[in-house]
Amino acid sequence: AQTVTQSQPEMSVQEAETVTLSCTYDTSENNYYLFWYKQPPSRQMILVIRQEAYKQQNATENRFSVNFQKAAKSFSLKISDSQLGDTAMYFCAFMKEYGGSQGNLIFGKGTKLSVKP
Amino acid sequence: KAGVTQTPRYLIKTRGQQVTLSCSPISGHRSVSWYQQTPGQGLQFLFEYFSETQRNKGNFPGRFSGRQFSNSRSEMNVSTLELGDSALYLCASSPRPGTGPNTEAFFGQGTRLTVV
Repeated sequence: AQTVTQSQPEMSVQEAETVTLSCTYDTSENNYYLFWYKQPPSRQMILVIRQEAYKQQNATENRFSVNFQKAAKSFSLKISDSQLGDTAMYFCAFMKEYGGSQGNLIFGKGTKLSVKP
Repeated sequence: KAGVTQTPRYLIKTRGQQVTLSCSPISGHRSVSWYQQTPGQGLQFLFEYFSETQRNKGNFPGRFSGRQFSNSRSEMNVSTLELGDSALYLCASSPRPGTGPNTEAFFGQGTRLTVV
């Protein structure tokens, strides 16, 4: 079975600084997808970034980028130029490719990020 | 384009009762998934529906059930409520199941169920 571990329950960062959230996972699958989701106080889960395991290039979305280390099964999220609106719970999630779908994402327990002015 | 709509937003029920939660997906989306979120267990997959058929089911007791209608709207039902069923129930919709491009899941704001 796949597991996703986020070892940092809470983190804080000053506005405009950079922060990195950690995520490790365990799987015997070779093809899979990894995601970072953001859940602000409004409770709505929002997809931040997505990485296909077969792609060596790290995904980037504006101020958000990942460091994907397949051999180490590590998938960290870097937020640059942090903004107050980045304050939220961040969840790392795994989905296998074969037979997988958005319907059976496996989530980590989350990291609560606070951006301080 | 309207997002995923979940109703009601908040619900308080008594132990032993049953409850039905509703999810209206984004227009054109045919896949609907349900998740339970609790402080202790985190986010756990309940089930997924596509074209009115249950495609996947998580590890939950039979008290949890769901269905999908021909307009892709979905309901989930929990019977004989227990205190431990108190949670945020999230619904997500996507155009179709699978892992290819444009299959991103969009989540609703959830229904907060409290069992007393």
